[in-house]
Amino acid sequence: QKEVEQNSGPLSVPEGAIASLNCTYSDRGSQSFFWYRQYSGKSPELIMFIYSNGDKEDGRFTAQLNKASQYVSLLIRDSQPSDSATYLCAVTVQDMRFGAGTRLTVKP
Amino acid sequence: DAEITQSPRHKITETGRQVTLACHQTWNHNNMFWYRQDLGHGLRLIHYSYGVQDTNKGEVSDGYSVSRSNTEDLPLTLESAASSQTSVYFCASSDGGPGLDEQFFGPGTRLTVL
Repeated sequence: QKEVEQNSGPLSVPEGAIASLNCTYSDRGSQSFFWYRQYSGKSPELIMFIYSNGDKEDGRFTAQLNKASQYVSLLIRDSQPSDSATYLCAVTVQDMRFGAGTRLTVKP
Repeated sequence: DAEITQSPRHKITETGRQVTLACHQTWNHNNMFWYRQDLGHGLRLIHYSYGVQDTNKGEVSDGYSVSRSNTEDLPLTLESAASSQTSVYFCASSDGGPGLDEQFFGPGTRLTVL
């Protein structure tokens, strides 16, 4: 079992819709949870981080964490074509472990 | 502006050669990391350092080494390059507690081993 699992996608949503990206992790000792966005040919950049159970909102982005279910998600409201990218979930215990990423396409 | 740079950006080498990839950050961050990214595997940690003279092995460290002689630099050396090490390599840095803070990534180095 991979430590951090994501659906590889591609996930396709129409412009203006809500995109929902999901991630599960195996280590119950995981402390910090991050969502990175990576455009094709570019380096990852941080979108959100969350440390505690519940929801955390930042503009159009909401991160949700459920430690009991070992589940973290990212919701993107009012999706835009510029949101089309690969989204990487990362989880830290002693070091940071990344999922393989979900490719999101937002169609105009 | 503070930044993190990698060089070279592209490298082609032959099997068996020693290769060193440079990473330099001006954030004055204590923590530095090397990852490789391959299709279907996402980012995998090779080595990391939480300060000068500190180095640690990551998930895929075999065939790689690092040394940290100052805060700004963490060069990654492939002792004897193999075709399986063809990949995109990202360097990253962070501050604060290990594993707790955002990592800032360099632009990446695309390495091809023939």
